[in-house]
Amino acid sequence: DAMVIQNPRYQVTQFGKPVTLSCSQTLNHNVMYWYQQKSSQAPKLLFHYYDKDFNNEADTPDNFQSRRPNTSFCFLDIRSPGLGDAAMYLCATSRAGRATDTQYFGPGTRLTVL
Amino acid sequence: KNQVEQSPQSLIILEGKNCTLQCNYTVSPFSNLRWYKQDTGRGPVSLTIMTFSENTKSNGRYTATLDADTKQSSLHITASQLSDSASYICVVSGPAGNNRKLIWGLGTSLAVNP
Repeated sequence: DAMVIQNPRYQVTQFGKPVTLSCSQTLNHNVMYWYQQKSSQAPKLLFHYYDKDFNNEADTPDNFQSRRPNTSFCFLDIRSPGLGDAAMYLCATSRAGRATDTQYFGPGTRLTVL
Repeated sequence: KNQVEQSPQSLIILEGKNCTLQCNYTVSPFSNLRWYKQDTGRGPVSLTIMTFSENTKSNGRYTATLDADTKQSSLHITASQLSDSASYICVVSGPAGNNRKLIWGLGTSLAVNP
């Protein structure tokens, strides 16, 4: 089945130790998104790629970076995780950037920072 | 300020009963409104998407309504099942054509008890 896959599902890192979360998709969608969702809060968009074009949200900290080496894969790099970065990180895809396009979400990666 | 407010915050119903969740928004201009279901620890799954010209859309036992004049939407769940226990999130898309500008509600947490 076509889907959005995130690895790992659970990630534990130490304060300040770089960590990379990965997302892959078999939907062949043009757009890939990264969201941060903290407990009892709505998902917050960090950035997205439209094909190879990177679009950063204005309030996304510099500590968060992303790479999209090809259509199928997208990575979220947290350069120096702080305790406040502990959250669920959701990857999503959509076919294009149209207003009515459905976003398909992966299962998320739960990040714990010790 | 663009906002999406959902009520109730949480709801407990018995299996087999119907329920209705509410969403009020102040997003303007408005492009479309989505309802997502998010199971605990999982990514959101799209239930419905409605544009301003649509006033009802169904997906199995889920029926969403939209009144673009009063800026209100509802999600009606018929004959609830235990697997309906989840958070239901209303998401409104802002300026038309800008898919990534999604305004998320905080969700209604639904518990279906046997």
